[in-house]
Amino acid sequence: ILNVEQSPQSLHVQEGDSTNFTCSFPSSNFYALHWYRWETAKSPEALFVMTLNGDEKKKGRISATLNTKEGYSYLYIKGSQPEDSATYLCAFSSGGSYIPTFGRGTSLIVHP
Amino acid sequence: EAGVVQSPRYKIIEKKQPVAFWCNPISGHNTLYWYRQNLGQGPELLIRYENEEAVDDSQLPKDRFSAERLKGVDSTLKIQPAELGDSAVYLCASSWEQGRNEQFFGPGTRLTVL
Repeated sequence: ILNVEQSPQSLHVQEGDSTNFTCSFPSSNFYALHWYRWETAKSPEALFVMTLNGDEKKKGRISATLNTKEGYSYLYIKGSQPEDSATYLCAFSSGGSYIPTFGRGTSLIVHP
Repeated sequence: EAGVVQSPRYKIIEKKQPVAFWCNPISGHNTLYWYRQNLGQGPELLIRYENEEAVDDSQLPKDRFSAERLKGVDSTLKIQPAELGDSAVYLCASSWEQGRNEQFFGPGTRLTVL
C-alpha cells in the first residue's frame, strides 16, 4: 500500500491571502503526480499532471512544484478568493502499477 | 463536450438491499475507473477498465460487488447485498489511457445504507 500524505488537513484563510499545501509520496519508482480540485456538489477537476522532477506548472493564480527525489509536491494559491474554497486532492502513481493512490485532501476555506 | 455522467446522484437504501450505479464516460475515453470515497478519506480505486476489459479489480469486494462495461462504453457498478459500511461516495472517472493522462470525474453517487 502506497502512502500518500497531504497537509494540512484543513485550512482557513482570508480573501487575498496566499497559501500552500503539501503532498508527500514515496520517492521511489515515481510515475506521475496529479492535483485535483473538488468543490462541494461538483465533480473533481484536474488541475495539473506532473511527471518530471523539478516540474513547475501554473494555471492562473494556482501553481505547483514537484520534487520526485524527496517525494513531495507543493500547491500554491496566490491571492486566495472565496471561489477557491474546495478540497484539493493529490494522486500518486508509481511505475509499478500506474494505479493512482489519492491522499485524503486538504480542505481550503477562503473567507471574504 | 459532455462530461462524465453518473446516476443516481443520491441513493438511500436499507441494508441487505441491492443497489446499482451507472456511469457514462466521455466519448472516446478508453479507460474507466470506479472509486469509492469514505468519509475523511481519499478516493480508493475499486476497478479499472481498459475498453471492456477489467484490468485492475484487486480492491473490489467480489463477494458483494460486481461491475460491467459492456461494449466498452458505459458501465454499471452493483452491490448486492449492501452493508452499513458501504455508505460512501462512489465516483466514476474516465481518461484517454491509463497512467499520466488526467482523469475526468463524474459528480459521484452518495450512497447511504440504513
